[in-house]
Amino acid sequence: ETGVTQSPTHLIKTRGQQVTLRCSSQSGHNTVSWYQQALGQGPQFIFQYYREEENGRGNFPPRFSGLQFPNYSSELNVNALELDDSALYLCASSLAASRGGQETQYFGPGTRLLVL
Amino acid sequence: AQSVTQLGSHVSVSEGALVLLRCNYSSSVPPYLFWYVQYPNQGLQLLLKYTSAATLVKGINGFEAEFKKSETSFHLTKPSAHMSDAAEYFCAVTRAGGTSYGKLTFGQGTILTVHP
Repeated sequence: ETGVTQSPTHLIKTRGQQVTLRCSSQSGHNTVSWYQQALGQGPQFIFQYYREEENGRGNFPPRFSGLQFPNYSSELNVNALELDDSALYLCASSLAASRGGQETQYFGPGTRLLVL
Repeated sequence: AQSVTQLGSHVSVSEGALVLLRCNYSSSVPPYLFWYVQYPNQGLQLLLKYTSAATLVKGINGFEAEFKKSETSFHLTKPSAHMSDAAEYFCAVTRAGGTSYGKLTFGQGTILTVHP
């Protein structure tokens, strides 16, 4: 148990819809990273939030957006869903001493999204 | 840019046999390296990490890995496999220090099967 929780655990949407996934970070952590794991592949970095600001982004289109709240929980929003967005979405929290910190990331159980 | 290659998408061993999962990395800057394990329908659990201290790193559940800069490798081993080790294993790299954020770049994963 890492103390990182995600909701919902499973979700089914149709193409073109919008979805919001939620993540509660481990107590005391100030950084949240989001990853997309397609079936049979390793996780791919979407973006990271440090103290409520985006702190780096992977190769994902702007319809993937996020927020981090004052309590350091986070949301991942995906607009205009496409079939290829079907995946396991993982969030990871960490405690970074600074914006460039390289602290160990602890993962939640993930949200499995299916787009029909 | 950083990358990770995990040699062998599937590894099968007998219970009690040596486990060896291979990971080679590419990085233009000193790396931090990680091994994570993923059980079916779960998130990622940290097994061990290398952060430029000792090159031989011991992790949980009897696993260890050795950082070999000359070979750009970080192979995961366990002397004696247990049935409960059956899972998918991911090697990941991030850059050490600097002003970069803690983006993890993962390999494609290796599925470990343990036969009785």
